[in-house]
Amino acid sequence: DGGITQSPKYLFRKEGQNVTLSCEQNLNHDAMYWYRQDPGQGLRLIYYSQIVNDFQKGDIAEGYSVSREKKESFPLTVTSAQKNPTAFYLCASSIVGGTNSPLHFGNGTRLTVT
Amino acid sequence: DQQVKQNSPSLSVQEGRISILNCDYTNSMFDYFLWYKKYPAEGPTFLISISSIKDKNEDGRFTVFLNKSAKHLSLHIVPSQPGDSAVYFCAASARGGYSTLTFGKGTMLLVSP
Repeated sequence: DGGITQSPKYLFRKEGQNVTLSCEQNLNHDAMYWYRQDPGQGLRLIYYSQIVNDFQKGDIAEGYSVSREKKESFPLTVTSAQKNPTAFYLCASSIVGGTNSPLHFGNGTRLTVT
Repeated sequence: DQQVKQNSPSLSVQEGRISILNCDYTNSMFDYFLWYKKYPAEGPTFLISISSIKDKNEDGRFTVFLNKSAKHLSLHIVPSQPGDSAVYFCAASARGGYSTLTFGKGTMLLVSP
């Protein structure tokens, strides 16, 4: 079955530690995205990548970093510089360039930083 | 500045009746609109989309209407079922869907038996 795998589902970290969230897709999609969801908020774009070895900042990139060394993988690092890291993080992918290419989402990682 | 607004945080409907979820947008460059459905602790799933060249798109029980002059779209679910209870996100993009999506804050739909 094709899809997006995010791991782990729940993640706990101490304040001041960097943490990396995993995202893998086997849909052969070129584009991958990271969103953050907070209670009562919509999904806000952190970073996205339309091709291997290239990525762009989204609306709330501060305190985050990404890499795209392989087409199927797009890990997100939440650094200690992120002031409010506790949130639900969603990874997504899509076919680049299509007008009928909706995002396919993973099931998310809930990060709690104390 | 919110470019995609879902002004109703929640909506309650009885099973079998129509559910109408509304969405307004401010960016006149948006020309492709989507609805996503999300259950708790899961990722959103794509439901239905509409291009600005159309004013209606239908898929089974789900119909999306677009009023470009009012910058308003709505999702109709008929008939509503308890399994439809979820958070519904409206999203929009520009350049025919080539740009990234901007999401609204979502509306939680509760369909009671």
